[in-house]
Amino acid sequence: SQQGEEDPQALSIQEGENATMNCSYKTSINNLQWYRQNSGRGLVHLILIRSNEREKHSGRLRVTLDTSKKSSSLLITASRAADTASYFCATDIYGNKLVFGAGTILRVKS
Amino acid sequence: DGGITQSPKYLFRKEGQNVTLSCEQNLNHDAMYWYRQDPGQGLRLIYYSQIVNDFQKGDIAEGYSVSREKKESFPLTVTSAQKNPTAFYLCASSPRGGLHFNEQFFGPGTRLTVL
Repeated sequence: SQQGEEDPQALSIQEGENATMNCSYKTSINNLQWYRQNSGRGLVHLILIRSNEREKHSGRLRVTLDTSKKSSSLLITASRAADTASYFCATDIYGNKLVFGAGTILRVKS
Repeated sequence: DGGITQSPKYLFRKEGQNVTLSCEQNLNHDAMYWYRQDPGQGLRLIYYSQIVNDFQKGDIAEGYSVSREKKESFPLTVTSAQKNPTAFYLCASSPRGGLHFNEQFFGPGTRLTVL
Protein backbone atom coordinates (compact mmCIF):
# COMPACT_ATOMS: atom_id res chain seq x y z
CA SER A 1 0.00 0.00 0.00
CA GLN A 2 1.16 3.55 -0.65
CA GLN A 3 2.72 5.51 2.17
CA GLY A 4 1.77 8.91 0.80
CA GLU A 5 -1.66 9.82 -0.51
CA GLU A 6 -2.20 13.19 -2.18
CA ASP A 7 -5.44 15.11 -2.17
CA PRO A 8 -7.02 16.29 -4.40
CA GLN A 9 -6.21 14.03 -7.35
CA ALA A 10 -6.69 16.97 -9.70
CA LEU A 11 -6.95 20.73 -9.24
CA SER A 12 -7.81 23.41 -11.78
CA ILE A 13 -7.37 27.10 -10.92
CA GLN A 14 -6.98 30.49 -12.59
CA GLU A 15 -3.62 32.17 -12.93
CA GLY A 16 -2.91 34.30 -9.88
CA GLU A 17 -4.87 32.10 -7.48
CA ASN A 18 -3.28 29.97 -4.78
CA ALA A 19 -3.08 26.19 -5.06
CA THR A 20 -3.07 23.88 -2.04
CA MET A 21 -2.25 20.19 -2.18
CA ASN A 22 -2.31 17.80 0.74
CA CYS A 23 -0.42 14.63 1.54
CA SER A 24 -1.17 12.05 4.21
CA TYR A 25 1.11 9.22 5.26
CA LYS A 26 0.95 6.23 7.55
CA THR A 27 4.22 5.69 9.43
CA SER A 28 6.84 7.82 11.16
CA ILE A 29 9.19 9.60 8.80
CA ASN A 30 12.65 11.16 8.72
CA ASN A 31 11.56 13.81 6.24
CA LEU A 32 8.94 14.54 3.61
CA GLN A 33 9.71 15.90 0.17
CA TRP A 34 7.68 17.44 -2.63
CA TYR A 35 8.51 16.96 -6.32
CA ARG A 36 7.08 18.37 -9.56
CA GLN A 37 6.75 16.49 -12.83
CA ASN A 38 5.95 18.13 -16.14
CA SER A 39 4.19 15.87 -18.60
CA GLY A 40 6.47 13.12 -19.91
CA ARG A 41 9.53 14.38 -18.03
CA GLY A 42 11.54 13.45 -14.97
CA LEU A 43 10.74 14.72 -11.49
CA VAL A 44 12.25 17.88 -10.06
CA HIS A 45 12.84 18.29 -6.34
CA LEU A 46 10.99 21.26 -4.84
CA ILE A 47 11.42 21.21 -1.09
CA LEU A 48 12.32 18.95 1.83
CA ILE A 49 10.91 19.31 5.34
CA ARG A 50 12.38 17.36 8.23
CA SER A 51 10.29 15.63 10.87
CA ASN A 52 11.26 18.23 13.49
CA GLU A 53 10.19 21.16 11.28
CA ARG A 54 6.66 22.52 11.02
CA GLU A 55 6.86 24.96 8.14
CA LYS A 56 9.25 25.77 5.33
CA HIS A 57 9.27 28.34 2.53
CA SER A 58 10.98 28.46 -0.83
CA GLY A 59 10.01 31.33 -3.13
CA ARG A 60 6.28 30.96 -3.84
CA LEU A 61 6.16 27.57 -2.13
CA ARG A 62 5.09 26.98 1.46
CA VAL A 63 5.15 23.52 2.99
CA THR A 64 3.73 22.54 6.35
CA LEU A 65 4.15 19.31 8.25
CA ASP A 66 1.96 18.00 11.06
CA THR A 67 3.52 14.80 12.40
CA SER A 68 0.69 14.27 14.90
CA LYS A 69 -1.77 14.06 12.01
CA LYS A 70 0.76 12.48 9.65
CA SER A 71 0.00 15.07 7.01
CA SER A 72 1.67 17.75 4.93
CA SER A 73 0.46 20.50 2.65
CA LEU A 74 2.05 22.31 -0.27
CA LEU A 75 0.85 25.83 -1.03
CA ILE A 76 1.79 27.53 -4.29
CA THR A 77 0.97 31.23 -4.12
CA ALA A 78 0.15 33.49 -7.10
CA SER A 79 0.12 30.55 -9.49
CA ARG A 80 1.32 30.84 -13.07
CA ALA A 81 0.54 28.82 -16.19
CA ALA A 82 4.06 27.38 -15.93
CA ASP A 83 3.10 25.76 -12.61
CA THR A 84 0.88 23.34 -14.52
CA ALA A 85 2.32 19.92 -13.64
CA SER A 86 1.87 16.89 -11.41
CA TYR A 87 3.02 17.26 -7.82
CA PHE A 88 4.13 14.32 -5.69
CA CYS A 89 4.89 13.98 -2.03
CA ALA A 90 7.54 11.45 -1.00
CA THR A 91 8.30 10.18 2.46
CA ASP A 92 11.72 9.13 3.69
CA ILE A 93 11.22 6.44 6.30
CA TYR A 94 14.52 4.61 6.52
CA GLY A 95 16.94 7.26 5.30
CA ASN A 96 17.86 5.40 2.14
CA LYS A 97 14.80 5.42 -0.10
CA LEU A 98 11.61 7.38 -0.77
CA VAL A 99 8.01 6.25 -1.05
CA PHE A 100 5.97 8.34 -3.49
CA GLY A 101 2.27 9.09 -3.50
CA ALA A 102 0.06 9.00 -6.60
CA GLY A 103 0.28 12.75 -7.13
CA THR A 104 -1.95 15.77 -7.69
CA ILE A 105 -2.44 17.07 -11.22
CA LEU A 106 -2.47 20.87 -11.18
CA ARG A 107 -3.75 22.87 -14.11
CA VAL A 108 -3.35 26.64 -14.06
CA LYS A 109 -5.50 28.41 -16.63
CA SER A 110 -4.31 31.70 -18.11
CA ASP B 1 27.34 20.31 -17.06
CA GLY B 2 26.39 17.92 -14.28
CA GLY B 3 23.35 15.76 -14.46
CA ILE B 4 21.75 12.39 -14.91
CA THR B 5 21.02 10.98 -18.35
CA GLN B 6 18.89 8.12 -19.56
CA SER B 7 18.86 6.47 -22.95
CA PRO B 8 17.08 5.80 -25.13
CA LYS B 9 14.15 8.18 -24.70
CA TYR B 10 11.78 5.76 -26.45
CA LEU B 11 12.22 2.00 -26.67
CA PHE B 12 10.11 -0.59 -28.40
CA ARG B 13 10.41 -4.25 -27.57
CA LYS B 14 8.86 -7.40 -28.89
CA GLU B 15 7.39 -9.82 -26.39
CA GLY B 16 9.99 -12.28 -25.15
CA GLN B 17 12.96 -9.95 -25.60
CA ASN B 18 15.21 -8.60 -22.89
CA VAL B 19 16.06 -4.90 -23.10
CA THR B 20 18.52 -2.76 -21.15
CA LEU B 21 17.87 0.83 -20.16
CA SER B 22 20.87 3.05 -19.57
CA CYS B 23 21.31 5.48 -16.66
CA GLU B 24 24.46 7.56 -16.19
CA GLN B 25 25.22 10.33 -13.70
CA ASN B 26 28.19 12.65 -13.29
CA LEU B 27 27.03 14.15 -9.99
CA ASN B 28 29.33 11.90 -7.94
CA HIS B 29 26.30 10.53 -6.11
CA ASP B 30 26.63 7.25 -4.25
CA ALA B 31 22.99 6.18 -4.38
CA MET B 32 21.01 5.38 -7.53
CA TYR B 33 17.42 4.27 -8.04
CA TRP B 34 15.10 2.85 -10.70
CA TYR B 35 11.39 3.59 -10.68
CA ARG B 36 8.47 2.56 -12.81
CA GLN B 37 5.58 4.96 -13.48
CA ASP B 38 2.29 3.86 -15.00
CA PRO B 39 -0.24 6.35 -16.42
CA GLY B 40 -1.84 8.51 -13.75
CA GLN B 41 0.12 6.85 -10.97
CA GLY B 42 3.03 7.59 -8.71
CA LEU B 43 6.47 6.05 -8.82
CA ARG B 44 7.16 2.51 -7.70
CA LEU B 45 10.67 1.48 -6.71
CA ILE B 46 12.22 -1.35 -8.73
CA TYR B 47 15.82 -1.51 -7.47
CA TYR B 48 18.22 0.77 -5.66
CA SER B 49 21.92 0.86 -4.98
CA GLN B 50 23.65 2.65 -2.12
CA ILE B 51 27.19 1.92 -3.25
CA VAL B 52 29.14 0.34 -6.08
CA ASN B 53 28.79 -3.44 -6.38
CA ASP B 54 25.76 -3.51 -4.09
CA PHE B 55 22.03 -3.18 -4.79
CA GLN B 56 18.72 -4.07 -3.17
CA LYS B 57 15.29 -5.02 -4.46
CA GLY B 58 12.54 -2.46 -4.26
CA ASP B 59 8.82 -3.06 -4.19
CA ILE B 60 8.43 -4.46 -7.72
CA ALA B 61 11.75 -6.15 -8.60
CA GLU B 62 10.31 -9.27 -10.23
CA GLY B 63 11.19 -9.46 -13.93
CA TYR B 64 13.96 -6.84 -13.64
CA SER B 65 17.71 -7.00 -13.02
CA VAL B 66 20.41 -4.39 -12.40
CA SER B 67 24.15 -4.05 -11.99
CA ARG B 68 26.32 -1.39 -10.36
CA GLU B 69 29.87 -1.96 -11.56
CA LYS B 70 30.69 1.76 -11.70
CA LYS B 71 29.60 4.64 -9.53
CA GLU B 72 28.35 6.58 -12.55
CA SER B 73 26.24 3.83 -14.11
CA PHE B 74 23.19 1.82 -13.04
CA PRO B 75 21.67 -0.03 -16.03
CA LEU B 76 18.29 -1.73 -15.74
CA THR B 77 17.43 -4.87 -17.71
CA VAL B 78 13.77 -5.61 -18.32
CA THR B 79 13.58 -9.35 -18.84
CA SER B 80 11.00 -11.46 -20.62
CA ALA B 81 9.79 -12.54 -17.17
CA GLN B 82 8.27 -9.08 -16.65
CA LYS B 83 4.68 -9.68 -17.75
CA ASN B 84 3.58 -6.08 -18.24
CA PRO B 85 6.67 -3.99 -18.99
CA THR B 86 5.06 -1.14 -20.92
CA ALA B 87 5.66 1.90 -18.71
CA PHE B 88 7.72 5.04 -18.15
CA TYR B 89 11.01 4.26 -16.41
CA LEU B 90 12.80 6.85 -14.30
CA CYS B 91 16.30 6.73 -12.91
CA ALA B 92 17.42 8.90 -10.01
CA SER B 93 20.53 9.52 -7.96
CA SER B 94 21.10 10.92 -4.50
CA PRO B 95 24.06 12.08 -2.44
CA ARG B 96 24.68 10.34 0.86
CA GLY B 97 25.71 13.53 2.62
CA GLY B 98 26.03 17.26 2.19
CA LEU B 99 23.49 19.97 1.50
CA HIS B 100 21.25 17.83 -0.73
CA PHE B 101 21.38 14.70 1.42
CA ASN B 102 18.43 12.41 0.63
CA GLU B 103 17.12 14.58 -2.22
CA GLN B 104 16.78 12.67 -5.45
CA PHE B 105 17.81 13.99 -8.85
CA PHE B 106 15.95 12.45 -11.77
CA GLY B 107 16.80 11.68 -15.34
CA PRO B 108 14.39 12.49 -18.21
CA GLY B 109 13.00 8.94 -18.36
CA THR B 110 12.68 6.14 -20.91
CA ARG B 111 9.29 5.19 -22.29
CA LEU B 112 9.21 1.45 -23.00
CA THR B 113 6.51 -0.02 -25.20
CA VAL B 114 6.05 -3.74 -25.77
CA LEU B 115 4.66 -4.51 -29.21
